[in-house]
Amino acid sequence: EIVMTQSPATLSVSPGERATLSCRASQSVRDNLAWYQQKPGQAPRLLIYAVSTRATGVPARFSGSASGTEFTLTISSLQSEDFAVYYCQQYNNWPPWTFGQGTKVEIK
Amino acid sequence: EVQLVQSGAEVKKPGESLRISCKGSGYSFTSSWISWVRQRPGRGLEWMGRIDPSDSYTNYSPSFQGHVTISADKSITTAYLQWSSLEASDTAIYYCARRERDSESSMDVWGQGTTVTVSS
Repeated sequence: EIVMTQSPATLSVSPGERATLSCRASQSVRDNLAWYQQKPGQAPRLLIYAVSTRATGVPARFSGSASGTEFTLTISSLQSEDFAVYYCQQYNNWPPWTFGQGTKVEIK
Repeated sequence: EVQLVQSGAEVKKPGESLRISCKGSGYSFTSSWISWVRQRPGRGLEWMGRIDPSDSYTNYSPSFQGHVTISADKSITTAYLQWSSLEASDTAIYYCARRERDSESSMDVWGQGTTVTVSS
């Protein structure tokens, strides 16, 4: 099973600042890496797939990148609606597909 | 509009059986896989397994194999997650999610979640 490790667990950011979230895979997942956003009481929402492709309707301030088995989600200028929990997920090797443990982005 | 609509919240006792549902609409139900994802209270997301509704082929996470059963009825565009004997540790929100076959993407449409509470 591929283990996905996210860091940090909590990120405190002021509105308008840049947020950088990290996710490391225990082995290669090629480009089969997605990011989800989850707000309290809501289902997860797909933000990014294939490492860097934004899902339909996702603002351009969200971007994804990779270097080997290290993946990054960047939010260029945090808006109030961006404070949430973010999960990475690999869908290269299965079963199972696996998620990271999540990064909570909170208001500083 | 592509939608997955899940059945309502359930409260059950340990040892009872349960089946929850996920109805797809607005797309070709047999052209996508349906996965089930568990979220225990205050915890992260866990992928449980998936089904291809076109032929009912299933894959399970080893963590859930043997404890749950995933099925689908393509004639009514509905997928199911069922337990034969619930445990308190099954208390969680369960989400269904779609992934289009042969797509670069992952799970792009999610149901609203079904809360399952197991308590004596």
